[in-house]
Amino acid sequence: IAGITQAPTSQILAAGRRMTLRCTQDMRHNAMYWYRQDLGLGLRLIHYSNTAGTTGKGEVPDGYSVSRANTDDFPLTLASAVPSQTSVYFCASSDSPSSYEQYFGPGTRLTVT
Amino acid sequence: AQSVAQPEDQVNVAEGNPLTVKCTYSVSGNPYLFWYVQYPNRGLQFLLKYITGDNLVKGSYGFEAEFNKSQTSFHLKKPSALVSDSALYFCAVREMNNFNKFYFGSGTKLNVKP
Repeated sequence: IAGITQAPTSQILAAGRRMTLRCTQDMRHNAMYWYRQDLGLGLRLIHYSNTAGTTGKGEVPDGYSVSRANTDDFPLTLASAVPSQTSVYFCASSDSPSSYEQYFGPGTRLTVT
Repeated sequence: AQSVAQPEDQVNVAEGNPLTVKCTYSVSGNPYLFWYVQYPNRGLQFLLKYITGDNLVKGSYGFEAEFNKSQTSFHLKKPSALVSDSALYFCAVREMNNFNKFYFGSGTKLNVKP
């Protein structure tokens, strides 16, 4: 593994179902982020984590939860999916919260029907 | 409120010609400014940043950007475009004192034609 991996690559999900998007990094970065990308809106921050054991809310956190049990993993959970959560989800990491550069995973394309 | 505007959804340029992708920002205090590029079906890749110092910053793949404080702009430029530069470009801003929050523009699709 080199960098950030995300799984699944894509998923079609029925509304009301629970779904966890996985994100793993092997760079030992302290900070991790989840974004959603929607056409015409760019990327919007959902949740972030400055270090293992801590999380924080971003710009659009409603309907999503995260955990950070260790440095490498930062899963994003949709407890009860709704069609408005159809989007492309990107996980990112940075060496520290104050680092200037973020490294992005390849993304997960989620369709909620 | 912090925000970034990319006024052009798409920019078309011929290979070998100079290119400019526009970005304006609104942030309280001094901004940290970034450009990222996204190729199809890939995550974003860092191109360059402005933190402080010279207003003209140079980045990857021959790109550069000019910070203009009075116009609150941070336009991306390249003297001679390549077909391989065709991609989606995002401008982003981060507050100096709120490093968790990156605000991205809506993106500009750059088309470089042979």
